[in-house]
Amino acid sequence: AQTVTQSQPEMSVQEAETVTLSCTYDTSESDYYLFWYKQPPSRQMILVIRQEAYKQQNATENRFSVNFQKAAKSFSLKISDSQLGDAAMYFCAYTDSGGGADGLTFGKGTHLIIQP
Amino acid sequence: DTGVSQDPRHKITKRGQNVTFRCDPISEHNRLYWYRQTLGQGPEFLTYFQNEAQLEKSRLLSDRFSAERPKGSFSTLEIQRTEQGDSAMYLCASTDFRGLSYEQYFGPGTRLTVT
Repeated sequence: AQTVTQSQPEMSVQEAETVTLSCTYDTSESDYYLFWYKQPPSRQMILVIRQEAYKQQNATENRFSVNFQKAAKSFSLKISDSQLGDAAMYFCAYTDSGGGADGLTFGKGTHLIIQP
Repeated sequence: DTGVSQDPRHKITKRGQNVTFRCDPISEHNRLYWYRQTLGQGPEFLTYFQNEAQLEKSRLLSDRFSAERPKGSFSTLEIQRTEQGDSAMYLCASTDFRGLSYEQYFGPGTRLTVT
């Protein structure tokens, strides 16, 4: 079974600084998809960024970028120029290319605090 | 595109009672997922539908849980004889599997408290 591990229960960063959230995963599949989702307090989960395992290029979305290391099974999220609105729980998630029959497998999350 | 909606947003029930939650996915999405999220944890997969067919169920889904998606539109999740351990946030998500993006769009969740 696939597992996703987020080793940082909580991270704190000064506004406008850069922070990196860590995620490792375990799978025997060669083709899969990785995601970072953001869950603000009492609000619904939204997708931050997506990475297809077959793509070597790291995904970027504005201030958000990933460092995808397939051999190391590592998928970290970098948030540049942190803003107060970035404060939330961040979840790393995995699904294989079989169509997500087991849904997304999530890590336990990292609570990101933005200090003004 | 009105997003995924869930009803009710909050439910407080007494142990032993039955509860039913509803999820309305994004209209063109053919796959619908249910997850359970407890405090301090990431969501855990419960079950999913492709159109009206329930294709997979997690071992977390005990016999007291049943889900339906009649006509491949909205879905309901029923919990019979609720237990305190059922207290959690129940999340619904949908995706257009034909797009092969695997990105799931989540609803706001139903928070269940069993007293």
